[in-house]
Amino acid sequence: DSGVTQTPKHLITATGQRVTLRCSPRSGDLSVYWYQQSLDQGLQFLIQYYNGEERAKGNILERFSAQQFPDLHSELNLSSLELGDSALYFCASSVAPGGDSGANVLTFGAGSRLTVL
Amino acid sequence: AQTVTQSQPEMSVQEAETVTLSCTYDTSESDYYLFWYKQPPSRQMILVIRQEAYKQQNATENRFSVNFQKAAKSFSLKISDSQLGDAAMYFCAYRDSGGSNYKLTFGKGTLLTVNP
Repeated sequence: DSGVTQTPKHLITATGQRVTLRCSPRSGDLSVYWYQQSLDQGLQFLIQYYNGEERAKGNILERFSAQQFPDLHSELNLSSLELGDSALYFCASSVAPGGDSGANVLTFGAGSRLTVL
Repeated sequence: AQTVTQSQPEMSVQEAETVTLSCTYDTSESDYYLFWYKQPPSRQMILVIRQEAYKQQNATENRFSVNFQKAAKSFSLKISDSQLGDAAMYFCAYRDSGGSNYKLTFGKGTLLTVNP
């Protein structure tokens, strides 16, 4: 158990629907990251939050949004789902948003498998 | 933009033998971090080893070691005394040093099979 909790583990839904993926970071970590892993695109960075504020944005579609709440958990909202959104969505956390400490690495959750039919 | 290339989609090794996984990257930065992550069938992404670019000494973690060639922008992973539990997808990853985010750029991965 990495300490990063993601729910649900599996989700099957239909095209056009909306889903919410939830992530609780490891205790003490203030920064949360979302990654998408698909067969064709590999692992892609979506977005990062630190202590409730957005810090960096990657290849996140406009149909997707995220937020980090005061208790530091984060949610990734995926709307108007398409077949191509089927993927494994990872959340990761770290202590701080910056700094060069080699010990400040990302810890990943087990992922949420989304299947869009 | 930084890119990470893993040229070996699949590799296999006999149990107890040694295997080396290749990774090259492209960056204009002089200071950065490199990582190897392991993803077993459980899907969990597990950090195997990390290397700071400013350090000349190659990182080592038990049976795992790297060969970091900064000028060649190469970062290979050597697994010694391979065990069945080492079977997994291995991802090489890059991160800029400093700044305010820890965005990782991943390679496409190498699927390692360990034969008994």
